[in-house]
Amino acid sequence: GESVGLHLPTLSVQEGDNSIINCAYSNSASDYFIWYKQESGKGPQFIIDIRSNMDKRQGQRVTVLLNKTVKHLSLQIAATQPGDSAVYFCAENKEGAQKLVFGQGTRLTINP
Amino acid sequence: EPEVTQTPSHQVTQMGQEVILRCVPISNHLYFYWYRQILGQKVEFLVSFYNNEISEKSEIFDDQFSVERPDGSNFTLKIRSTKLEDSAMYFCATGTRRREQYFGPGTRLTVT
Repeated sequence: GESVGLHLPTLSVQEGDNSIINCAYSNSASDYFIWYKQESGKGPQFIIDIRSNMDKRQGQRVTVLLNKTVKHLSLQIAATQPGDSAVYFCAENKEGAQKLVFGQGTRLTINP
Repeated sequence: EPEVTQTPSHQVTQMGQEVILRCVPISNHLYFYWYRQILGQKVEFLVSFYNNEISEKSEIFDDQFSVERPDGSNFTLKIRSTKLEDSAMYFCATGTRRREQYFGPGTRLTVT
């Protein structure tokens, strides 16, 4: 069964450095993936998405990489800023399903 | 930029009482969702709603839960008889197409 109070993986980086946040997804049938950012006391905020027919997608300062062979997703944030400090969740969705299935989350801390 | 809004921001209720959580979607959105996040845990899907009916629900969404759009704008989640384990952040999400989900700020429900 699930454990109560999951311990979030954490990542600390220096301001200005690049960060990479990783996520292993569970369902090989998933074909759409999203990264969300959640700041304290707020709802998840959409960052970037990618479909399974792609292996890389770039946004402003963010890049998502998808490796379907090993069911792995990563989020790269370039030139991190203090405002990037948050919990980052990956989420997956499969064709025909309404729900997003969220991963455990990673707490990113940007050190000045 | 339009946002999903939720009220109240914090609701405290006694076990066994009914609560109604409210969401105002972004105006042209057609897909509506409720998720919850128990403190320190993952975001979990509860239910999706499209064309005035439930399109998908999770095992969590049992007979104690219901959703509706009473006036064509607000989207509500009702918990008929709250339990201690219902204490969580409840997030509404809405979108213009099936896989697009923009989250509101959440309602913190505390059951005592």
